[in-house]
Amino acid sequence: GAGVSQTPSNKVTEKGKYVELRCDPISGHTALYWYRQSLGQGPEFLIYFQGTGAADDSGLPNDRFFAVRPEGSVSTLKIQRTERGDSAVYLCASSPGLAGGSLSYNEQFFGPGTRLTVL
Amino acid sequence: GQNIDQPTEMTATEGAIVQINCTYQTSGFNGLFWYQQHAGEAPTFLSYNVLDGLEEKGRFSSFLSRSKGYSYLLLKELQMKDSASYLCAVINRDYGQNFVFGPGTRLSVLP
Repeated sequence: GAGVSQTPSNKVTEKGKYVELRCDPISGHTALYWYRQSLGQGPEFLIYFQGTGAADDSGLPNDRFFAVRPEGSVSTLKIQRTERGDSAVYLCASSPGLAGGSLSYNEQFFGPGTRLTVL
Repeated sequence: GQNIDQPTEMTATEGAIVQINCTYQTSGFNGLFWYQQHAGEAPTFLSYNVLDGLEEKGRFSSFLSRSKGYSYLLLKELQMKDSASYLCAVINRDYGQNFVFGPGTRLSVLP
């Protein structure tokens, strides 16, 4: 079946520009997560949605970062006034959320990521 | 706060056994996951432990000791394709359902 998909796979932009990164979760998954991963590091949590609402946005580094999930499915991560330090792989994951069993409730399925390069 | 620690790199020989350790300090512990990540690819699920003890799944096993804040991933009969990064992630119920990842251990399997 279809897994988590992310577009674009690669994005190169210039410092100061605005970018949008898209995530299509597994159908029926109510929970959606965004992470950021720098080279040689583990993923770093950014934001978590349960349905349409952001249940936890404590990982967003500053107010240049914003994410939405208006219909409880597709999510968009938006970065304003990009900086070189924003360069990383942005990973999206989904899980069954409250609908699943004890393991499926927590297991997260990751997309391939979007590699963002800010020049 | 939370702290998760793993060795940065490990090397092992094809056919051998390797143990990758993970130590964590967190309140509200609610489970530990191991993920495998090949270079340039998404992390994929390997195992989940929430109770103390050993979980075995084929060539891979994972152990958890909650009192010691310690887990390990055991890989048997190593194959070249096992060369990857191995990520330890903890769920803290006080922080919702997001994972807190360790830095990852990059395993190189040599012929």
